[in-house]
Amino acid sequence: GAGVSQSPRYKVAKRGQDVALRCDPISGHVSLFWYQQALGQGPEFLTYFQNEAQLDKSGLPSDRFFAERPEGSVSTLKIQRTQQEDSAVYLCASSRGREETQYFGPGTRLLVL
Amino acid sequence: AQSVSQHNHHVILSEAASLELGCNYSYGGTVNLFWYVQYPGQHLQLLLKYFSGDPLVKGIKGFEAEFIKSKFSFNLRKPSVQWSDTAEYFCAVNALRYNFNKFYFGSGTKLNVKP
Repeated sequence: GAGVSQSPRYKVAKRGQDVALRCDPISGHVSLFWYQQALGQGPEFLTYFQNEAQLDKSGLPSDRFFAERPEGSVSTLKIQRTQQEDSAVYLCASSRGREETQYFGPGTRLLVL
Repeated sequence: AQSVSQHNHHVILSEAASLELGCNYSYGGTVNLFWYVQYPGQHLQLLLKYFSGDPLVKGIKGFEAEFIKSKFSFNLRKPSVQWSDTAEYFCAVNALRYNFNKFYFGSGTKLNVKP
């Protein structure tokens, strides 16, 4: 079956613009993670869902970041009033359970000008 | 601050050379440990993981890693690298005492294998 998909793959936003990044996890995967990867760094945890419940949002850098997974499948990461420091690759990963192998998507590369 | 450290940022080897990539973490208590690999143009994928039991873990493509609790280390090894091992390697830690849900990644090591 298909892997984790993310859209758009690339997004250029003007500073102050709102953006929405989509993640389609592997069908049946209960757990979903969002990560932010700055240039030259490893992924940094943003938030974790188990089905539709957002169990952990401790990694979200500010209240401009918001994530949802209303039906326990597709997830959206929304960034309001984007800033230049939000420029990064946003990775989504899904797994059968929290401690199971995470399967990563290709990421969305966000550039804020 | 708690962290995951990968001290080698860029490693260049010739084919058939042996590989060891360092990973140290600073979280106490029970940890789950992972190595991920990202081949050029591909997604991050799991190489191997350690949860408990035998501290020497074997993964895909001939990779192995050893968990040394006293040294807070989880180094990745391969006896003989191939050109196809050229990739970026990330160590990750799930520190159960600190945050059950959070996975902490190191900054990565880029491996370049010369044919």
